[in-house]
Amino acid sequence: AQSVAQPEDQVNVAEGNPLTVKCTYSVSGNPYLFWYVQYPNRGLQFLLKYITGDNLVKGSYGFEAEFNKSQTSFHLKKPSALVSDSALYFCAVRGDNYGQNFVFGPGTRLSVLP
Amino acid sequence: KAGVTQTPRYLIKTRGQQVTLSCSPISGHRSVSWYQQTPGQGLQFLFEYFSETQRNKGNFPGRFSGRQFSNSRSEMNVSTLELGDSALYLCASSFDRVAYEQYFGPGTRLTVT
Repeated sequence: AQSVAQPEDQVNVAEGNPLTVKCTYSVSGNPYLFWYVQYPNRGLQFLLKYITGDNLVKGSYGFEAEFNKSQTSFHLKKPSALVSDSALYFCAVRGDNYGQNFVFGPGTRLSVLP
Repeated sequence: KAGVTQTPRYLIKTRGQQVTLSCSPISGHRSVSWYQQTPGQGLQFLFEYFSETQRNKGNFPGRFSGRQFSNSRSEMNVSTLELGDSALYLCASSFDRVAYEQYFGPGTRLTVT
């Protein structure tokens, strides 16, 4: 069975500091990994994905994520946080066969303090 | 390109009633998925449609159903509403299945009283 864990409910970081939001996963077959962000009263916005290739993936708004196969992790990072990055972040995984659907993690609330 | 649109945005229904939610995917997208989002349970997968066929179904009772039309537009229906069905219902579309990211609509906020 597929699953996604986001071990931190809440992450607080000062503006200008680097941020990391953690994600680990379990999936049958090869993983396709995604990060989404949700602002209040809005749907989810796609940030980036890992399908294959380079383990460091760059996405929207200066975010990047590092795929680590041995640790089954896909942590989201940003070198310098902005107050406007404060939102709810979801990691998602899907296995590489047509019988599997997207599975989302529980979400991590990021607060960037001015 | 226009994004995913969902109608209505807000809905208030009474227990026992039924409701139909609509989703129009991004033009050219053939896969549509539905999710239920609640504070306690997070994002729960309801079902996925591709080329008018249900491809996957989540662990929800039969009161939850859906369909996809030939133009890829999708509807979901909830019959005999319960208080616990109050949630944000999100629709997402993608070009194809598996390796493609999903793009989400703004959601329909359903309140059951």
